[in-house]
Amino acid sequence: DAGVTQSPTHLIKTRGQHVTLRCSPISGHKSVSWYQQVLGQGPQFIFQYYEKEERGRGNFPDRFSARQFPNYSSELNVNALLLGDSALYLCASSLLAGGRETQYFGPGTRLLVL
Amino acid sequence: AQSVTQLDSQVPVFEEAPVELRCNYSSSVSVYLFWYVQYPNQGLQLLLKYLSGSTLVKGINGFEAEFNKSQTSFHLRKPSVHISDTAEYFCAVSDRPGGGNKLTFGTGTQLKVEL
Repeated sequence: DAGVTQSPTHLIKTRGQHVTLRCSPISGHKSVSWYQQVLGQGPQFIFQYYEKEERGRGNFPDRFSARQFPNYSSELNVNALLLGDSALYLCASSLLAGGRETQYFGPGTRLLVL
Repeated sequence: AQSVTQLDSQVPVFEEAPVELRCNYSSSVSVYLFWYVQYPNQGLQLLLKYLSGSTLVKGINGFEAEFNKSQTSFHLRKPSVHISDTAEYFCAVSDRPGGGNKLTFGTGTQLKVEL
């Protein structure tokens, strides 16, 4: 079975631009979460979506937004990119949205903002 | 709010030696704990998890962890490491904002296995 897939794998943008990252969850999983991992740090929670509704939001500015589609795939959008947005963006899926649920991570999208 | 502390940023160890990676957490609610491993330029892979029941949890690749509620710890151990275990290890605690499940990660421990 395919795991969590993310696209693109790598991306280079310049300051002020906009970026869209995509994630397809494991088949049958209804929850998708996004995390930002800056070099040398642990992942930081950005958003969680379950059944197309936002279930949680981390401490990120409004430049960050996301949505989940009827097929449970998800997009993360970041506007007005800053140099500090350079990071590995990880998508994770889980069957449901409860605290006991295991989150399975994709390989990530590495974003470099110049 | 939940938090996770991984005191050791780097742990060097010789091959076939035992290793312990330390993790302490703080939580005001029921605790669900996870260890993930990240190999270079890859995403996170689940090693093991504690949800309830036995405090000794066995995971993949010969790793195990023990949940200690009184010491608020969830240390990861392996009796004999291999070169292929060289990676970054993250401890995480699960929170439930708005009924969801958010993982709060520690800063990671880089395990370097040497010959």
